Amino acid sequence: SQQGEEDPQALSIQEGENATMNCSYKTSINNLQWYRQNSGRGLVHLILIRSNEREKHSGRLRVTLDTSKKSSSLLITASRAADTASYFCATGSGAGSYQLTFGKGTKLSVIP
Amino acid sequence: DVKVTQSSRYLVKRTGEKVFLECVQDMDHENMFWYRQDPGLGLRLIYFSYDVKMKEKGDIPEGYSVSREKKERFSLILESASTNQTSMYLCASSLEVTGLGSPLHFGNGTRLTVT
Repeated sequence: SQQGEEDPQALSIQEGENATMNCSYKTSINNLQWYRQNSGRGLVHLILIRSNEREKHSGRLRVTLDTSKKSSSLLITASRAADTASYFCATGSGAGSYQLTFGKGTKLSVIP
Repeated sequence: DVKVTQSSRYLVKRTGEKVFLECVQDMDHENMFWYRQDPGLGLRLIYFSYDVKMKEKGDIPEGYSVSREKKERFSLILESASTNQTSMYLCASSLEVTGLGSPLHFGNGTRLTVT
């Protein structure tokens, strides 16, 4: 069952610009994770934010979570060509749940 | 660093064949997963396993089975391959329950074509 929905579906920016991707979900969550997928490869875990957190940083990544709006955003600052990839959010619903539910992803293209 | 290895990057099989997709992880993770990824549909969970010889159905188990005889190895089996099973298959593992925040570690995927 699909829970997270990313927006936009595709995003094209110039190198050096910031990229913002959004994720909305429907039911209450315990945590939300962001993953990156380079073309033809597996997904790589980027960052996790728990439901009691509002913001987290990791290098050039900033993630926010608004549980009242059931939404999250991923900001990549000073983008590079190497950031070109698809980005997915995934939600976890808490104890006893082994499943992360993934959105359909945002395809980011960073033009050199 | 966790390594999840899928035995084949590309596989071409004929309709009706029995197909085995193998996955091995080297970090002693309890949990292992099989997803399929299709354009416009995202990632969908087929099966997962939280212990040796244990398995649980995901969202789309029909037409698939799994085997976990050893902790490090999780196999996906297509009993009789069909063209609608042409897809990218992704194996993943996690140390703890993902619902509580344990991240998934993915292999590089197997692109299966059924003709």
